[in-house]
Amino acid sequence: SQKIEQNSEALNIQEGKTATLTCNYTNYSPAYLQWYRQDPGRGPVFLLLIRENEKEKRKERLKVTFDTTLKQSLFHITASQPADSATYLCALAGSGNTGKLIFGQGTTLQVKP
Amino acid sequence: ETGVTQSPTHLIKTRGQQVTLRCSSQSGHNTVSWYQQALGQGPQFIFQYYREEENGRGNFPPRFSGLQFPNYSSELNVNALELDDSALYLCASRLDYSQETQYFGPGTRLLVL
Repeated sequence: SQKIEQNSEALNIQEGKTATLTCNYTNYSPAYLQWYRQDPGRGPVFLLLIRENEKEKRKERLKVTFDTTLKQSLFHITASQPADSATYLCALAGSGNTGKLIFGQGTTLQVKP
Repeated sequence: ETGVTQSPTHLIKTRGQQVTLRCSSQSGHNTVSWYQQALGQGPQFIFQYYREEENGRGNFPPRFSGLQFPNYSSELNVNALELDDSALYLCASRLDYSQETQYFGPGTRLLVL
């Protein structure tokens, strides 16, 4: 069955450093992959989308890579700030626009001042 | 804020009862998806509604049902509640079936005792 794995342990980094989060998947060929941010008690907020034929996407301090051979996506936050502390979710989607996103369990990032 | 609202914010029910959760989409969005998020897990896709018709469903039993109204607001109904139904229920709207970005509401926290 389809499986998505994100760093299960929380990631603690110092302010100003680059945070790198990993998303690995098996038994799936996604048409695209999305990253969301979720704060406690809130719904996920869309950050970035990358398609199967794209290698890298950037938005301000965020960068996402997508390697369909390794079946892996990396999510980077450069010059991290305490306000970046949250849970980050990766989500895969197949073709067909069914709206069905398959989410990983999320990685909690803590940025210390 | 995404413009997607959900009600109620919290709800406590007992096993065997029925519950109705409501979602108001972002203005102009005609597609709504519902997700269940257990504590410490990523959201799981329940189903999607497009122009008042269900057109995608995840691995949830028939006691999970929904409706979408002409104004594109939506309801999630769960019958015969079980303890494992305790979770955060999220709805997400999209401008259209063909759009990939989903805008999530804050969720309804359901506790089944």
